Amino acid sequence: DTEVTQTPKHLVMGMTNKKSLKCEQHMGHRAMYWYKQKAKKPPELMFVYSYEKLSINESVPSRFSPECPNSSLLNLHLHALQPEDSALYLCASSQGLAGGNSYEQYFGPGTRLTVT
Amino acid sequence: AQSVTQPDIHITVSEGASLELRCNYSYGATPYLFWYVQSPGQGLQLLLKYFSGDTLVQGIKGFEAEFKRSQSSFNLRKPSVHWSDAAEYFCAVDNMDSNYQLIWGAGTKLIIKP
Repeated sequence: DTEVTQTPKHLVMGMTNKKSLKCEQHMGHRAMYWYKQKAKKPPELMFVYSYEKLSINESVPSRFSPECPNSSLLNLHLHALQPEDSALYLCASSQGLAGGNSYEQYFGPGTRLTVT
Repeated sequence: AQSVTQPDIHITVSEGASLELRCNYSYGATPYLFWYVQSPGQGLQLLLKYFSGDTLVQGIKGFEAEFKRSQSSFNLRKPSVHWSDAAEYFCAVDNMDSNYQLIWGAGTKLIIKP
């Protein structure tokens, strides 16, 4: 099973709302990622977790808050977002971090977020 | 710094015709290379990857890619496209300077003519 699931598929939220995106994988992968993708662009890395610890934060604004409750789950908490944050948010996982032995990343279907 | 170039923003191919999507990378050594496909409104699916060994790699859905060190290229090919192949195709390179980040090409949109 090479599936990464994400919920919800679509989310519309106001600028004062608090919402969360959820990602799950059952492949035993130890690295999980959040990406943001705008239309007609490649994905932009936001966060990386390795063994449930935050490894990297790509200078993401604090209105995005990641959480990794266990090795299978990854959440992205959203608060006070701006309309320019509207995008497709993708979760991915890999066996580990590359470190010279590259592990391919498996992506979920994404959550289409609209901020009004 | 590493970079990935996909010179074609979009390509139009007739159904049943052959396809080649170009990807060039910039790096001193041999990187790890990937092709992903993204259907409209969907996530990315790994088509194939090259780490080492045989320079012609086979992937899913009838795709293959050839790594050419001399040309710093990793072009994606398919002998006969189907209408369902219409999608965005991304070439990516593993960032050898950072063990977690993929460097992405800008993508090529494949349009299939009936």
